[in-house]
Amino acid sequence: AQKITQTQPGMFVQEKEAVTLDCTYDTSDPSYGLFWYKQPSSGEMIFLIYQGSYDQQNATEGRYSLNFQKARKSANLVISASQLGDSAMYFCAMRNSGGGADGLTFGKGTHLIIQP
Amino acid sequence: EAGVAQSPRYKIIEKRQSVAFWCNPISGHATLYWYQQILGQGPKLLIQFQNNGVVDDSQLPKDRFSAERLKGVDSTLKIQPAKLEDSAVYLCASSLARSGLAGVHEQFFGPGTRLTVL
Repeated sequence: AQKITQTQPGMFVQEKEAVTLDCTYDTSDPSYGLFWYKQPSSGEMIFLIYQGSYDQQNATEGRYSLNFQKARKSANLVISASQLGDSAMYFCAMRNSGGGADGLTFGKGTHLIIQP
Repeated sequence: EAGVAQSPRYKIIEKRQSVAFWCNPISGHATLYWYQQILGQGPKLLIQFQNNGVVDDSQLPKDRFSAERLKGVDSTLKIQPAKLEDSAVYLCASSLARSGLAGVHEQFFGPGTRLTVL
C-alpha cells in the first residue's frame, strides 16, 4: 500500500522568505509519480508541480521546486520568495499504480500561513 | 476552457436520508475520479472511471455509496442512507489521459460539494 506522510501540520513564514514543506512517501512500486497541490480557503485544489520517479532532475515550476531524494523517499516542496497569496493548505500526493488505477493518495496536508 | 463542474455546492441532510452529487468533467477527459475530503484531512479516493467503466472502487463503501458515469461523460455519486461520518467535501476530478499512462497527467478538480449530515 502507498502512504504519504506530511509531518508539519502548520507553518508560519515571513513574507519573501523561502519555505520548505516536507513530504515522505512509502511505496513498493518502482514507477510512481509525486504531486503537490495547493488548497486555498475557497476549497479548490490547484496543481503545483509533478515529479516522476525516473526523472533525473528535480522539477521546477516558477517559484516552486521539488527537492526529490529518491533514496530517502522524500519529495519536499520549496517555495521561493513567499507571498501573502501563498497562504493555504498544501498537499503532497502519490499516484497509485497497478491495473490502470491511478487515483492519488494524499497526505494530511500542511497549513502554511505567510505573515507580512 | 470550462473547468470541472459540480452541484450542488452545499447540502445539509439528516442521517439515514439519501443524497446525490453531480459532476461534469472537462470536455474530452476520459478519466473521472470522486474523492472524499473529511475536515482536516487530505482527499481520499472513492472511485475512478475510465470512460463509463469502473477502474478502481476499492475504497468505496459499497453498502451505502454508489456511483455511475453513464455515456462516459457526467457522473453521479449517491449515498443511501447517509451517516454522520459522511459529512465531508466530495471532490470530483478529471484527467485527459487514459488511466495507467506514465507522465504528469494532472487531475483537474472541481469546487466540491460540502455535505453536512445532522
